[in-house]
This record gives sequence, C-alpha cells and structure tokens, in this order.
Amino acid sequence: DGGITQSPKYLFRKEGQNVTLSCEQNLNHDAMYWYRQDPGQGLRLIYYSQIVNDFQKGDIAEGYSVSREKKESFPLTVTSAQKNPTAFYLCASSSLGTSGKLGEQYFGPGTRLTVT
Amino acid sequence: RKEVEQDPGPFNVPEGATVAFNCTYSNSASQSFFWYRQDCRKEPKLLMSVYSSGNEDGRFTAQLNRASQYISLLIRDSKLSDSATYLCVVNIDWDSGNTPLVFGKGTRLSVIA
Repeated sequence: DGGITQSPKYLFRKEGQNVTLSCEQNLNHDAMYWYRQDPGQGLRLIYYSQIVNDFQKGDIAEGYSVSREKKESFPLTVTSAQKNPTAFYLCASSSLGTSGKLGEQYFGPGTRLTVT
Repeated sequence: RKEVEQDPGPFNVPEGATVAFNCTYSNSASQSFFWYRQDCRKEPKLLMSVYSSGNEDGRFTAQLNRASQYISLLIRDSKLSDSATYLCVVNIDWDSGNTPLVFGKGTRLSVIA
C-alpha cells in the first residue's frame, strides 16, 4: 500500500537531548513537509523540501534541522535549541501529478513528542 | 490580518441537520483551495479540493467566492461520523503546486444523536 509512515508514534525525551523523527513515503512525491501542531492550534510549517538535497525553512524553523538525501525520506531533528519541543509533529508529501491535483498534501499519522 | 480565518466553533448540530462553514483568505493571489478533515489526535485528511467555482461530493459541497475571498463547506444530512475538525487550506503558488499550503486553525463540528 502506498502512503507515508512516521515513527515512532509516541516519543519521550529528556530536555537537552536531540531527537530525530522519521518520515518515509512511497508515493513517489517530489515535495515533503514537516509541520508542528500544538493543542487547539493550527498547523505551523517547520521545513519543506521540493527536491532531493534541497530544503527551505518554514515559519518556525528555529531549533530544528532536516535532510533530504533520498526522495522517499525527510527526517526531522528536534535539537536542544528548540525551546518548546513538546508537540504533535506531522509529515506530509505532495506531487504535481497530471490529474490536476496541484497542491494536495497527504499526511503521515504523526509523532507525539514529549520532552520533560 | 491572518491569512486564513475560520470560526473555531464548536458547531453542535443534531443528526440529519445541514451545516455550513465559511473560511476567508487574505491573499487575492491564492490559486487553489482545499478542505481537510482532522479527527481528534489524528492527521489531517483531504476531504475536498475546490479549484474553480466549487464542487460536490455526496453530502458535501464546497463553494469558492473569489470576489469576497471566501470558501464554504456545506454538509447535508449530518452523520455522527462527521464529527471532526474541518481545516480550510489555501495554496498561493499555482505554477509550482509544491509550495507550502496555508492552513486555517479549523472549525470543530460535533454531530449529536
């Protein structure tokens, strides 16, 4: 089945530790995105990548880093510099396609990160 | 002014009712529009795309009003399973299509038996 996977579903870390969240897609999508969602809030863009080996900062990139070495994978590292890392992290991907579905994004199931 | 604004709700409606949500966007260059559905503690899922004058999918109808810069979602014959948060989403860059979407904070719907 095609889709986007994120692991783990729940992650607990101590303050001061870096942590890397996994995101893999087998949809052959060119673009991938990382969002953060806090309780009762909308999605905020952290980073996005339109092509392998290239990525751009989103609205809240400080304290995060990414890499895009393969089309299928877009891991996100939450560094110790991120002041409030506890949140629900969502990865998404999209493709131009030929069916007119410009801009449609498909999300993974998310990772709930708790830092204490 | 926020880029995409929605009434947060909650909208509490009985089963079988018709309910409508509006969403306004600030950037007149916005090119494509979407409604996503998000269940509690789950990821958003694409509900409908709204590319031109609107479209219908079963009990769901989405409309776009470019002059007034808003889109709407109408749900007819509400079911308990329609209870969720509905996110209004806007894409500004048409040519690329792969630029980030702008998400509203969502409108919460609760359908009551």
